[in-house]
Amino acid sequence: NAGVTQTPKFQVLKTGQSMTLQCAQDMNHEYMSWYRQDPGMGLRLIHYSVGAGITDQGEVPNGYNVSRSTTEDFPLRLLSAAPSQTSVYFCASSYSSLFSGNTIYFGEGSWLTVV
Amino acid sequence: AQSVTQPDIHITVSEGASLELRCNYSYGATPYLFWYVQSPGQGLQLLLKYFSGDTLVQGIKGFEAEFKRSQSSFNLRKPSVHWSDAAEYFCAVGSSSGSARQLTFGSGTQLTVLP
Repeated sequence: NAGVTQTPKFQVLKTGQSMTLQCAQDMNHEYMSWYRQDPGMGLRLIHYSVGAGITDQGEVPNGYNVSRSTTEDFPLRLLSAAPSQTSVYFCASSYSSLFSGNTIYFGEGSWLTVV
Repeated sequence: AQSVTQPDIHITVSEGASLELRCNYSYGATPYLFWYVQSPGQGLQLLLKYFSGDTLVQGIKGFEAEFKRSQSSFNLRKPSVHWSDAAEYFCAVGSSSGSARQLTFGSGTQLTVLP
């Protein structure tokens, strides 16, 4: 059981380039999400999904795109990277709604630098 | 919208001393409250969570937290800190408004443990 797996762990991009951060979970979780972590700001929600084919925006969605074609995978796409997107990105998943007390599991993070 | 405040950016304690990390939240309904810990270069690990019932919650690694509705607080405590507890700690409140199941994080408290 690998849990939540993110790739790559480290990436350097040039301004304007595009890339995809991969996230996969093997726990058959309905809910998946992407957060970014910036110094002094905690984690902020970018996008989330409550099931295959369903995605929605979080607090800071601009400049990012997501899709959920399978239960297992939830890739995050940077369309045209900007230095403001330099951050640590975390993917998270949980079995179901918070109502039922399910825990949200986090990946180990992806460090992205845009120069 | 919900919010979380962790008023202490950095706390230093001696090994063996007691610890209390403060967390205040703003949320219109009964909150779902969490404490996560993040070691350097790692993802977030759930320490404990409060959904309902007993307001004193026990977690892993000897941590506990007390939910006080009148003070809108969910402070994390440990009676005797170990050097391995040095990490960053995040308080979070869970929302399930509409179809959104998301966590709102505080900005974190960095804990340093002196030998």
